[in-house]
Amino acid sequence: DAGITQSPRHKVTETGTPVTLRCHQTENHRYMYWYRQDPGHGLRLIHYSYGVKDTDKGEVSDGYSVSRSKTEDFLLTLESATSSQTSVYFCAISGAENYGYTFGSGTRLTVV
Amino acid sequence: KQEVTQIPAALSVPEGENLVLNCSFTDSAIYNLQWFRQDPGKGLTSLLLIQSSQREQTSGRLNASLDKSSGRSTLYIAASQPGDSATYLCAVSRSGGGADGLTFGKGTHLIIQP
Repeated sequence: DAGITQSPRHKVTETGTPVTLRCHQTENHRYMYWYRQDPGHGLRLIHYSYGVKDTDKGEVSDGYSVSRSKTEDFLLTLESATSSQTSVYFCAISGAENYGYTFGSGTRLTVV
Repeated sequence: KQEVTQIPAALSVPEGENLVLNCSFTDSAIYNLQWFRQDPGKGLTSLLLIQSSQREQTSGRLNASLDKSSGRSTLYIAASQPGDSATYLCAVSRSGGGADGLTFGKGTHLIIQP
């Protein structure tokens, strides 16, 4: 999607290993978000950021941490991957309270 | 806690029909409502954004309405085409701004038969 990219697009990892997903934006938007999408649950918020070094937990934050050292980058880390974290992860950005949200293309993560 | 429900969960109609997708939310204190489209294996594409002060938005063959007081939104698709086949997602942001993210419904899976 224009202005927002996620990497990697696909990843297979082993249980117990740390994994970091990256979201990069070129829109200079203040707000950034990480969601996961699972069948039967829809999209759920993991963590979000409202500025550099300002982050907060979402609905399903256990087992995840985030960092935002620059406006353009928002990293999601699975500290010790488990099979329950197999999912599709989406990053989103928003410019202000009355803006809509723009989503990245997603990262499909498989934990074996 | 905000809950968003989309009805129907799935819908299959012949090409050319006009159709309505429904979205309801439990907490009317929303800031805005956004409709997205998701194709299989792909990301979310924004279709329409309705601010809480607005009643409807239109884009081409799509029209979305919002009734905050009753906690409802509808997405109207006119003259449906096979290319409209996708999952449609409704999402609301909490009053006070978009800082703390969107709450999503589980979507309506739409199939338009040629």
